[in-house]
Amino acid sequence: DAKTTQPTSMDCAEGRAANLPCNHSTISGNEYVYWYRQIHSQGPQYIIHGLKNNETNEMASLIITEDRKSSTLILPHATLRDTAVYYCIVRVWSGNTGKLIFGQGTTLQVKP
Amino acid sequence: DAGITQSPRHKVTETGTPVTLRCHQTENHRYMYWYRQDPGHGLRLIHYSYGVKDTDKGEVSDGYSVSRSKTEDFLLTLESATSSQTSVYFCAISKGPGVRTEAFFGQGTRLTVV
Repeated sequence: DAKTTQPTSMDCAEGRAANLPCNHSTISGNEYVYWYRQIHSQGPQYIIHGLKNNETNEMASLIITEDRKSSTLILPHATLRDTAVYYCIVRVWSGNTGKLIFGQGTTLQVKP
Repeated sequence: DAGITQSPRHKVTETGTPVTLRCHQTENHRYMYWYRQDPGHGLRLIHYSYGVKDTDKGEVSDGYSVSRSKTEDFLLTLESATSSQTSVYFCAISKGPGVRTEAFFGQGTRLTVV
């Protein structure tokens, strides 16, 4: 299974962009990169996903390098409510489904 | 919360008793998943379903069984609960099977086995 590597923790000032990096050097050509976040003990919340092109939605932007070995999640204007654990995941096909294999994630602390 | 309801939200049970957790969805998604989350391990897949009566094992399936008799309900059963099964359990649903379809999670069930 492809694995991801993320920094354990990061800080960001409120109102500034938060850039969360992720390494996935063993990703296969047809595997997608997903980002989820988890606030306190709530269920993981889907943010965005992509294959090789940059993606943007109302929550965030996802920048994937050309070689697909790393990506960056960008929260353009972080707020205190964005404080959470952010998971970078490569969804792999296994059995009869694409499985989300979670790592330890990055704890993002947004500070006033 | 993408139309996912987990019940109960909290449960305390004794070692050796059977426990069933329920995941109910209103999205008519074909795929459903059970994960557990423990400190130091992140979320790990227990079992999943790819249709009514179609289920398969995840990476930590020992001690758990599942059933799916209707599209909207996916049940996780601990036949004889042990303290090592104390955890937070999350259900997830997905419209499609593959690697390019997002999954949505419920709010979790906190299970304590004493």
